[in-house]
Amino acid sequence: KAGVTQTPRYLIKTRGQQVTLSCSPISGHRSVSWYQQTPGQGLQFLFEYFSETQRNKGNFPGRFSGRQFSNSRSEMNVSTLELGDSALYLCASSYDRGILSYEQYFGPGTRLTVT
Amino acid sequence: GNSVTQMEGPVTLSEEAFLTINCTYTATGYPSLFWYVQYPGEGLQLLLKATKADDKGSNKGFEATYRKETTSFHLEKGSVQVSDSAVYFCALSDPGGSSNTGKLIFGQGTTLQVKP
Repeated sequence: KAGVTQTPRYLIKTRGQQVTLSCSPISGHRSVSWYQQTPGQGLQFLFEYFSETQRNKGNFPGRFSGRQFSNSRSEMNVSTLELGDSALYLCASSYDRGILSYEQYFGPGTRLTVT
Repeated sequence: GNSVTQMEGPVTLSEEAFLTINCTYTATGYPSLFWYVQYPGEGLQLLLKATKADDKGSNKGFEATYRKETTSFHLEKGSVQVSDSAVYFCALSDPGGSSNTGKLIFGQGTTLQVKP
């Protein structure tokens, strides 16, 4: 089974621009979560989508948004980029079997650099 | 709120040494606990998990036991190899208001360096 894929792997953007990152979950997985990883803040939860609906959201400004499509693929968008948005953005998918064991499987990440 | 605390790194060991990385957590409810590993330039890989008190997760020689009385989930390996050099993250599933919130809370990560 193919793992979680993320595109692109690397991005360089300028302050003020916007960016869209894409994530394809493992086949059969219906939940997709996004995380931001930085050296200073570590791994922080952005949001989670399940059946095309945002089910949970972290403490990030409204410039960060996402969506999920009917095939469970997900995109996240960051508008009006700031230097502090430079990070590794990780996507994770889960089957969501309705039990407490909530295993998430991560993609390789998209490295975003804002200049 | 819910949180995870890991021992600070880096941890430097010689090959075949015994490894312990401490992890303690604060949580309401009954979270599941995980260890993830991140190799340079890669995403996170699930290493092992435990879903209830006294469960022991194990994989690739690593193991950790869910200790509710001490709110701990320490990672251990009897004999480390150079290839184990990576960053290790302890995490818990955030029960929140539902058992299926899709949110993991991570510790700050512990860098392990194993020297030949």
